[in-house]
Amino acid sequence: DQQVKQNSPSLSVQEGRISILNCDYTNSMFDYFLWYKKYPAEGPTFLISISSIKDKNEDGRFTVFLNKSAKHLSLHIVPSQPGDSAVYFCAAGLGSNYQLIWGAGTKLIIKP
Amino acid sequence: GAVVSQHPSRVICKSGTSVKIECRSLDFQATTMFWYRQFPKQSLMLMATSNEGSKATYEQGVEKDKFLINHASLTLSTLTVTSAHPEDSSFYICSARLPGVENSPLHFGNGTRLTVT
Repeated sequence: DQQVKQNSPSLSVQEGRISILNCDYTNSMFDYFLWYKKYPAEGPTFLISISSIKDKNEDGRFTVFLNKSAKHLSLHIVPSQPGDSAVYFCAAGLGSNYQLIWGAGTKLIIKP
Repeated sequence: GAVVSQHPSRVICKSGTSVKIECRSLDFQATTMFWYRQFPKQSLMLMATSNEGSKATYEQGVEKDKFLINHASLTLSTLTVTSAHPEDSSFYICSARLPGVENSPLHFGNGTRLTVT
């Protein structure tokens, strides 16, 4: 049973446009969510997180939106840049529990 | 800069041999480190939680006698793949959290690409 789902395995976006990556979860107990970016042959890099008490968190070009009623979160990247091409993972956690539940990832391709 | 260092980045070994992967926390002490495995086009899979000074906690389905974890110091955890087989070929990644920060994100090493021939 996948508790965290990223239903789009890949996404192609024109440079300069907005990239929207989506993530759905099933466990309403999750209280924080994170987005990681991963280049081939490298470990994931933390991008941005959001607590369940918020519905939006912004950091530069990256904004994460959380819709708890829909159990859905999304990552917006604007404007998209070629260096944003990577695999993006969303992950969910419970309190001080160290274990994160990961989505399968979405490969983002930014076209010049 | 990097806060978690992983070595080696790539290793090729023959079937039946053992391979050790090191994970170091840089400039901070990590009482807990995490070992992940990633198969192509799949998500990160948590293998085990490495606890300094005590036994590692393994996830269901992960053979503890095959994937030996040692966390002998507050800055170093090692994963040893024993009697490696071709199906153990994968990308192994370690991670740790900065201490003292609630819900701080995991910081990952750059991973180790293991190929068993």
